[in-house]
Amino acid sequence: AQSVAQPEDQVNVAEGNPLTVKCTYSVSGNPYLFWYVQYPNRGLQFLLKYITGDNLVKGSYGFEAEFNKSQTSFHLKKPSALVSDSALYFCAVRGNSGNTPLVFGKGTRLSVIA
Amino acid sequence: NAGVMQNPRHLVRRRGQEARLRCSPMKGHSHVYWYRQLPEEGLKFMVYLQKENIIDESGMPKERFSAEFPKEGPSILRIQQVVRGDSAAYFCASSTGGNTEAFFGQGTRLTVV
Repeated sequence: AQSVAQPEDQVNVAEGNPLTVKCTYSVSGNPYLFWYVQYPNRGLQFLLKYITGDNLVKGSYGFEAEFNKSQTSFHLKKPSALVSDSALYFCAVRGNSGNTPLVFGKGTRLSVIA
Repeated sequence: NAGVMQNPRHLVRRRGQEARLRCSPMKGHSHVYWYRQLPEEGLKFMVYLQKENIIDESGMPKERFSAEFPKEGPSILRIQQVVRGDSAAYFCASSTGGNTEAFFGQGTRLTVV
């Protein structure tokens, strides 16, 4: 069975500092990995995905994520955080065999402090 | 191209009533997923459908819950005889399948009183 772990419930970072939101996964075969962001009372918005190719994936709003196969991780990063980045971030994984649904982590709440 | 449309946005039901949640996927998307989100919790997968077929319903409670995605019309998540514990935000997502990302609707917030 596939699963995602986001070890931090909350991440606090000062505006202008780099941020990292951690994610590790477990899946049979090669993974498809995704990051989504959720603002209050809204649905999830797609940020970026890793399917194959370069381990460093660039996405929306200046976010990027690094796929590390040996550590089964897909951490989300941004070089310089903005207050408007404060939101709930979800990592998700899908196996690459057959029709399987996206499985999400519990989410990490990011607070960027001015 | 309209996004994933869910309605209603808010639904209040008394205990024992039925709740019907609707989801119209993005144009061209034939894969639909339903998730439930409780306050301060993550997204819990419920069911995955592909036009007229249930692909995976491993996350759906065995009783009172059902889902369909007919050939024509929206996908429906139906909760019979609702209880207070069913109060949550229910999100629908759609995709073209494979390695493509899923796009989410704004959700339906169900409150059982």
